[in-house]
Amino acid sequence: GQQVMQIPQYQHVQEGEDFTTYCNSSTTLSNIQWYKQRPGGHPVFLIQLVKSGEVKKQKRLTFQFGEAKKNSSLHITATQTTDVGTYFCAGDYGGATNKLIFGTGTLLAVQP
Amino acid sequence: ETGVTQTPRHLVMGMTNKKSLKCEQHLGHNAMYWYKQSAKKPLELMFVYNFKEQTENNSVPSRFSPECPNSSHLFLHLHTLQPEDSALYLCASSQVRASNEKLFFGSGTQLSVL
Repeated sequence: GQQVMQIPQYQHVQEGEDFTTYCNSSTTLSNIQWYKQRPGGHPVFLIQLVKSGEVKKQKRLTFQFGEAKKNSSLHITATQTTDVGTYFCAGDYGGATNKLIFGTGTLLAVQP
Repeated sequence: ETGVTQTPRHLVMGMTNKKSLKCEQHLGHNAMYWYKQSAKKPLELMFVYNFKEQTENNSVPSRFSPECPNSSHLFLHLHTLQPEDSALYLCASSQVRASNEKLFFGSGTQLSVL
C-alpha cells in the first residue's frame, strides 16, 4: 500500500542553524501537504504543493515538491525557538484511492 | 482556536468503562474525521463522515463506535478498550471529503486506558 517515509525522526539544532526534513513516497503523489504540531498541541496545516518542481516560501520556511512528485522537503532558515515542534508531511494519492497518508513526522528541538 | 472543539481534553478509563469523545466544528464543513495518534507512528485515519454519512472505516475494532448526528458534530463511543488503545484521538474537519482538502484539527483527547 501507499506509504510516506519521513526523515529524520528527530533533529536537534542550535538557534540560528538551518533545518531540513524530507518526505518520500514510493509512488507518485497527486499533491503533498505539510503540517506542524507544537508540543502538546494539534497538527496545523502549513501548505499544500501541487505542481511538479513547485517551490513555495513562507517567511523562513521553504517547501519543495520533487520533479517526479514522489518527494518533498521543508527547509527552515535560521531556526528560532518558536519553530519547535513536529513537522508532518501528508501525501495525497488522489484519484480512486482518495487517501491522505501522513508521514511519521520529524521532531525539531531548538536550543537557545 | 481552529474552529474545531474536542472534549474532554484528557480521559482516563478502565477497560470495562464506557465513555464518549465529542467533537464540534464551527467552520461550516461537511466532512469530519477521527484520527488516532500514537507515539512514533503516523497519524492513523479511523473514520470519515461526509455529509453525515460514514464513508470510511479503516478496519477499526468494534469497541470504537462513531456517530455523526449532523455535519457539525461527531462522537466516538468507547467501550471495553484495551491498554494499547491509549493515544491522542484527534478530530478533524474539511470542506468536503477529498484527499486534497486541508484538514482542520481539534486539540485532541489524550486517552489513557488502565
